[in-house]
Amino acid sequence: DVKVTQSSRYLVKRTGEKVFLECVQDMDHENMFWYRQDPGLGLRLIYFSYDVKMKEKGDIPEGYSVSREKKERFSLILESASTNQTSMYLCASRLPGGDTQYFGPGTRLTVL
Amino acid sequence: AQSVAQPEDQVNVAEGNPLTVKCTYSVSGNPYLFWYVQYPNRGLQFLLKYITGDNLVKGSYGFEAEFNKSQTSFHLKKPSALVSDSALYFCAVRVPDSGGYQKVTFGTGTKLQVIP
Repeated sequence: DVKVTQSSRYLVKRTGEKVFLECVQDMDHENMFWYRQDPGLGLRLIYFSYDVKMKEKGDIPEGYSVSREKKERFSLILESASTNQTSMYLCASRLPGGDTQYFGPGTRLTVL
Repeated sequence: AQSVAQPEDQVNVAEGNPLTVKCTYSVSGNPYLFWYVQYPNRGLQFLLKYITGDNLVKGSYGFEAEFNKSQTSFHLKKPSALVSDSALYFCAVRVPDSGGYQKVTFGTGTKLQVIP
């Protein structure tokens, strides 16, 4: 079974802090994704990565950056956290051209 | 631009009754359609997908969905609901021949509540 893990289930940070959200997958998938999930808005794509050191902006990249130094790991970075970034963050991975995304359990981030 | 609509924020159904969760889509081209389920405090899990072929697709946990091209719909169904089916359900669409990154667009989700 594909396993996607996220470093924290719950995180509380202060406004202005730099925040790192880590995602690791164990199935050698090239494609990885970061989404945020908000009530009434569904899932919105922040960034995705085709492969190591490759990244593309999604629909809502403002205020975020990403890092993909190793194939199995995809990090989401909030350079200066703001209260409007309070959300559930979901990581996913997929084989290139594959149909199914495999999701991690999510990190619920609260920015105070 | 592609889009997915889930017109119901919440669906309530009695245990043992059939359930339907609605999804309509708008794309240019032939869609790939998906249903995912999210249990409380969990990530999304894949339920089923339509790629091509038979319009009735069967998936995990006894769920099925019917692709209707003329109505641009992909409703999720189950003949007999269980309390354990209570969760948040997401419909998603991807257009495989759209070039470049084949973006997946998710609906806003429908909360299914199965009442004992």
